Amino acid sequence: EVQLLESGGDLVQPGGSLRLSCAASGFTFSNYHMTWVRQTPGKGLEWVSTISGGGDSTFYAESVKGRFTISRDNSKNTLDLQMNSLRAEDTAIFYCARRSLNWYFDFWGRGTLVTVSS
Amino acid sequence: EIVLTQSPATLSLSPGERATLSCRASDSVTSHLDWFQQKPGQAPRLLIYGASNRATGIPARFSASGSGTDFTLTISSLEPEDFAVYYCQQRNNWPLTFGGGTKVEIK
Repeated sequence: EVQLLESGGDLVQPGGSLRLSCAASGFTFSNYHMTWVRQTPGKGLEWVSTISGGGDSTFYAESVKGRFTISRDNSKNTLDLQMNSLRAEDTAIFYCARRSLNWYFDFWGRGTLVTVSS
Repeated sequence: EIVLTQSPATLSLSPGERATLSCRASDSVTSHLDWFQQKPGQAPRLLIYGASNRATGIPARFSASGSGTDFTLTISSLEPEDFAVYYCQQRNNWPLTFGGGTKVEIK
């Protein structure tokens, strides 16, 4: 059974940093691109970042480029998102999602809440 | 960036009724359009991929069609568990984008 479990969400001050993690199980992790998607409270969904299976290609939304870094450890089946220079508008639930071999998001984690506030 | 516009924003229907949801793209996304269902407090769940293919375990009352810029999700007869928010998402171009969602609520 595919499982994705996010962790690391917290309350952080503007300008601060936070590192999110996603632990994956139930599939061959290195075969799949992985993605972070966020959802602001009461609002819709926003794609944040995607990393290829080998970790050699990364993609970012303009809103986070230069501030967030996606990475993965295929030996530990974990996906990370390092978030720096956090802003109030980064407040959201962050979901980890698997990108299927045909590129659609077929499995999602339950999400972790990041709150940026002083 | 491809903008996805979903309509209506809210659909008020009764159980047993037919729901028709629209997603329009600002430029062609060919058939690289997926639909997700989200219930309160839950993660999105894949319903439809590739514009018209039901994901594993999705009931046959859910169907979808379209290509290019105009897409439709249809729920033939609403069950109580279908009242939720539905999002379309395109994966034809970076950045990947989502529509603003359609809330299907009980009338």
